[in-house]
Amino acid sequence: SQQGEEDPQALSIQEGENATMNCSYKTSINNLQWYRQNSGRGLVHLILIRSNEREKHSGRLRVTLDTSKKSSSLLITASRAADTASYFCATQTSGSRLTFGEGTQLTVNP
Amino acid sequence: GAVVSQHPSRVICKSGTSVKIECRSLDFQATTMFWYRQFPKQSLMLMATSNEGSKATYEQGVEKDKFLINHASLTLSTLTVTSAHPEDSSFYICSARRAGGAPYYNEQFFGPGTRLTVL
Repeated sequence: SQQGEEDPQALSIQEGENATMNCSYKTSINNLQWYRQNSGRGLVHLILIRSNEREKHSGRLRVTLDTSKKSSSLLITASRAADTASYFCATQTSGSRLTFGEGTQLTVNP
Repeated sequence: GAVVSQHPSRVICKSGTSVKIECRSLDFQATTMFWYRQFPKQSLMLMATSNEGSKATYEQGVEKDKFLINHASLTLSTLTVTSAHPEDSSFYICSARRAGGAPYYNEQFFGPGTRLTVL
């Protein structure tokens, strides 16, 4: 079963604005990962944050993790039209199995 | 590096036929491969975990006789949808875990997906 819940389900913003997506999960995790999926395509790995980390940056991406609240957020700064995609969080416990959240559909309007 | 391919990318078949989807790790060895299905505008649901040389482990509710998985080598896993029906129409995505220990242990690399349409 999916343990990740994401909000919002859909987000529409203007180019240049920041986009924030949230993910909550239910069980203890080893790490949490964010993926991007363009319509009808495979997944692209964006960033991984381990359970002992609180914040991580990669280019225009900033991910936070609050294990006490079992939640994570993905911030995309200075968004571009090309950032339009679905974004999924996925948690990993022991082993390599990933459990995906429901996803956020981001639309960046030019 | 770490490229995973799937073939075919798109397949349309008649109800009752069987369809085979291949997942290949092109530049690394994958001890474990995973098969997911994704319905439109929904998330990925893990169907099964496939380990090279052994039987696949299926998630609850996934029929193993319906979705046959073979992982005969460290670079190839196949998913066969047997006697496909329209409700099997979906996007099937595989991922591969690179062999070796940390820091690779947690990494999965995803294929581009296969769109199956059963008429």
